Amino acid sequence: DGGITQSPKYLFRKEGQNVTLSCEQNLNHDAMYWYRQDPGQGLRLIYYSQIVNDFQKGDIAEGYSVSREKKESFPLTVTSAQKNPTAFYLCASSMSGKGIHNPYGYTFGSGTRLTVV
Amino acid sequence: AQSVSQHNHHVILSEAASLELGCNYSYGGTVNLFWYVQYPGQHLQLLLKYFSGDPLVKGIKGFEAEFIKSKFSFNLRKPSVQWSDTAEYFCAVNGGSQGNLIFGKGTKLSVKP
Repeated sequence: DGGITQSPKYLFRKEGQNVTLSCEQNLNHDAMYWYRQDPGQGLRLIYYSQIVNDFQKGDIAEGYSVSREKKESFPLTVTSAQKNPTAFYLCASSMSGKGIHNPYGYTFGSGTRLTVV
Repeated sequence: AQSVSQHNHHVILSEAASLELGCNYSYGGTVNLFWYVQYPGQHLQLLLKYFSGDPLVKGIKGFEAEFIKSKFSFNLRKPSVQWSDTAEYFCAVNGGSQGNLIFGKGTKLSVKP
């Protein structure tokens, strides 16, 4: 079955450590996205990539980094510079990331819950 | 910049009650509009979407939404809710050159059996 796989489901990080969250899709989607979900704040865009080897900052990119070396993969690194990393992280993909006529919406992964201990 | 407002943070209804969740967006150009649902412990799923044509859109599980361009609104409705509709609902819009989805802050729906 096609879909998006995020791993791990739960992740614990010590303060000062970098951690990488995995996101893989087999939907042949061009665009991939990382969102952070906090209670009462909805989903906020961290980074997005519309094509391989290219990505752009979203609204809350500080303290995060990404890479897009393969179409299927869009890993997110939460660095020690992120002041409040404890959150639920969602990866999504879409058939087309460009232009206003993107009627497809997103397919979401099941998320990774990151906790700083 | 685009924004999406969902006015109700938490809605509590009894089974069989009617539901309307408000969603307003700020963007003057052509938009695509979406409602997503997140059931407890599950990932976000697409409920319905508006791209063009009939402004009354029907989605899964008996949900529908009406796009009213003059009011910049895309309210979600269901005539009779069930306990299984307990979830968090997110309105989203994309428009502009980037095509990214902008999400509202979500509305939690609790349905009492």
